[in-house]
Amino acid sequence: TQLLEQSPQFLSIQEGENLTVYCNSSSVFSSLQWYRQEPGEGPVLLVTVVTGGEVKKLKRLTFQFGDARKDSSLHITAAQTGDTGLYLCAGASGTYKYIFGTGTRLKVLA
Amino acid sequence: DVKVTQSSRYLVKRTGEKVFLECVQDMDHENMFWYRQDPGLGLRLIYFSYDVKMKEKGDIPEGYSVSREKKERFSLILESASTNQTSMYLCASSFFSGTNSYEQYFGPGTRLTVT
Repeated sequence: TQLLEQSPQFLSIQEGENLTVYCNSSSVFSSLQWYRQEPGEGPVLLVTVVTGGEVKKLKRLTFQFGDARKDSSLHITAAQTGDTGLYLCAGASGTYKYIFGTGTRLKVLA
Repeated sequence: DVKVTQSSRYLVKRTGEKVFLECVQDMDHENMFWYRQDPGLGLRLIYFSYDVKMKEKGDIPEGYSVSREKKERFSLILESASTNQTSMYLCASSFFSGTNSYEQYFGPGTRLTVT
């Protein structure tokens, strides 16, 4: 069974701080995605990474796919209150399916 | 913009009732999914469909069935609702975005409470 573990589970930081969220598995994934979910809404896709070692940037967010394609990280620089939400990673499992991690709940305080 | 809509945001049903959750997408996506989301467990796949009238079981299909009679619509059915099916239900549709990946778009969710 493929599993994706995210750490930390909860994170509360002050505005302006940096943070990193991790997504780890013992399985290899052909691609990995990161989503952000706000209260009362469905997850929204932030990025897809497909190549081992790949780094993608989305404004203050930096996503990295591990060389072995088993893990990924999300780094946020100078967090803002608008970054508050649940961050989910998801690894491709089979042709259409994705396995989701348990999530990291981030709260950024003003 | 891709839009995935779900028939209800909140639903309260009694144990033993038959429950229908409807999902509609407007982007002609081939694939549609039903997940449930519970605290500490993340999103778990119940069923998915890769074409009209086609369906496949996900990781937790017990107690659920699905129907896809039209490409844009995917229904989740709880044959006899039980209290352990109280959860947030999320529908998604996806398309192939190239290089081994599919982009998923989610609806806003239906929070179902079974009493």
